[in-house]
Amino acid sequence: AQRVTQPEKLLSVFKGAPVELKCNYSYSGSPELFWYVQYSRQRLQLLLRHISRESIKGFTADLNKGETSFHLKKPFAQEEDSAMYYCALSPNSGGSNYKLTFGKGTLLTVNP
Amino acid sequence: DAGVTQSPTHLIKTRGQQVTLRCSPKSGHDTVSWYQQALGQGPQFIFQYYEEEERQRGNFPDRFSGHQFPNYSSELNVNALLLGDSALYLCASAWRGRGRFSTEAFFGQGTRLTVV
Repeated sequence: AQRVTQPEKLLSVFKGAPVELKCNYSYSGSPELFWYVQYSRQRLQLLLRHISRESIKGFTADLNKGETSFHLKKPFAQEEDSAMYYCALSPNSGGSNYKLTFGKGTLLTVNP
Repeated sequence: DAGVTQSPTHLIKTRGQQVTLRCSPKSGHDTVSWYQQALGQGPQFIFQYYEEEERQRGNFPDRFSGHQFPNYSSELNVNALLLGDSALYLCASAWRGRGRFSTEAFFGQGTRLTVV
């Protein structure tokens, strides 16, 4: 069975400070990992996926198979980054179309 | 393109009743997945429809059933509602075509179901 753990329910940082949202997973195979974001009163949307190796809105995430982690990082947080962030896992490499297992989410607040 | 649209946005039902939620996928998408999001939790996968068939199912009882129509829209039905079924129900669509890989899944705004 797969599981995604986001240990921090709430995370508060000041503008300009670095931010790291933690995500650990358990899965016996080679999963695909994602970060989804939900801004206030908006729908859930994909932020980034590990196979893309992109930086979106200044965020990056590296898949560490040894530590089974996929932490989301940004060197300088902005107020507009305040949102709920969900880490998700798909057991297939066929894209986010397949069954996604989500963590419980971390609410990030960036203070001015 | 309106993206993924769900109806209704809010719904109140009584324990034991049945409910039907609807989802129209993003234009060009052929696959629909349904998720249940309880308060304070992440979305939990219910099932996925592709080519009008249920392809994958999460850990949900048979009270939860669905359907996909030829135009790719989908319905989620829940019978014999329990208080614990109160949640936000999310629909996500993607394009799968006939290949193994698919596009990114786009989510709807959700239907807030309250069971009293």
